[in-house]
Amino acid sequence: DIVMTQSPDSLAVSLGERATINCKSSQGVSYSSDNKNYLAWYQQKPGQPPKLIIYWASTRESGVPDRFSGSGSGTDFTLTISSLQAEDVAVYYCQQYYSSPPTFGGGTKVEIK
Amino acid sequence: QVQLVQSGSELRKPGASVKVSCKASGYTFSSYAVNWVRQAPGQGLEWMGWINTNTGNPTYARGFTGRFVFSLDTSVNTAYLQITNLKSEDTAVYYCSRNDGSGSYYDSWGQGTLVTVSS
Repeated sequence: DIVMTQSPDSLAVSLGERATINCKSSQGVSYSSDNKNYLAWYQQKPGQPPKLIIYWASTRESGVPDRFSGSGSGTDFTLTISSLQAEDVAVYYCQQYYSSPPTFGGGTKVEIK
Repeated sequence: QVQLVQSGSELRKPGASVKVSCKASGYTFSSYAVNWVRQAPGQGLEWMGWINTNTGNPTYARGFTGRFVFSLDTSVNTAYLQITNLKSEDTAVYYCSRNDGSGSYYDSWGQGTLVTVSS
C-alpha cells in the first residue's frame, strides 16, 4: 500500500497569512501515460464530512476559493492557503487514488494563531 | 444538486448488527461508484472499499472482510453498509462517498453515520 505522510501534524497561522501543508507519498502517484498526479486534498471541519478541494494535485474543485492551491508532482505535494481566513480552520487530508487501496495522509490541523 | 444522505446514528451492543444506508440523488446512480470510509473517534480517514453500482460487485479493503457487507437497492438509489458481530473498535463515523470508478477522487460525501458499540 502507498503510505501518505503529512507534515506538520498541526499549524497555527495568523489571519491573512500563508499556510503550507506538505504531503509525501511512499511511491510515485503519477502515470507516464497521462502525466497526471493522482492526488487529492480534502478539508474537514469539525462535525462535518470531508470536502474535496483539490484533485489531480492542482485542480481546484468548483466553488473552492482561489486562495487554496495545490502543487507538486511525483512523491511530494503541497497545499497552500495563501491568506488564511477564519473559515479555513479545519483538518486537511491528502489522498492518493493512483493505486488500490486509496490511502489518506494522517491529516494536518490548521488553527488561527 | 448531488446529495448523499445517510441514515442516523446507531447505538448497538457488542455482537449485534447494524445497517447504514446512503441514499443518492441529483445524479444518475449507476454512473458513479459508492465508496465507504471509516473515521474512528479523533482519528483519520480509512477506506473500507467500494461497490460497483452497475454490477453490484463489492470490493473490500484489507481488514474489512468477513463482517462488513456492501449492498445496493438500485430501485431507490441507495447503498448499504452492514456490519455484523459488532465490536467496540467498530465505534466510528462511517461515510459514503462517490467517485467515477477506481482511480478517482471522491467529489461528494454523505454527512456520516455514527455507530457506537457499547454494552
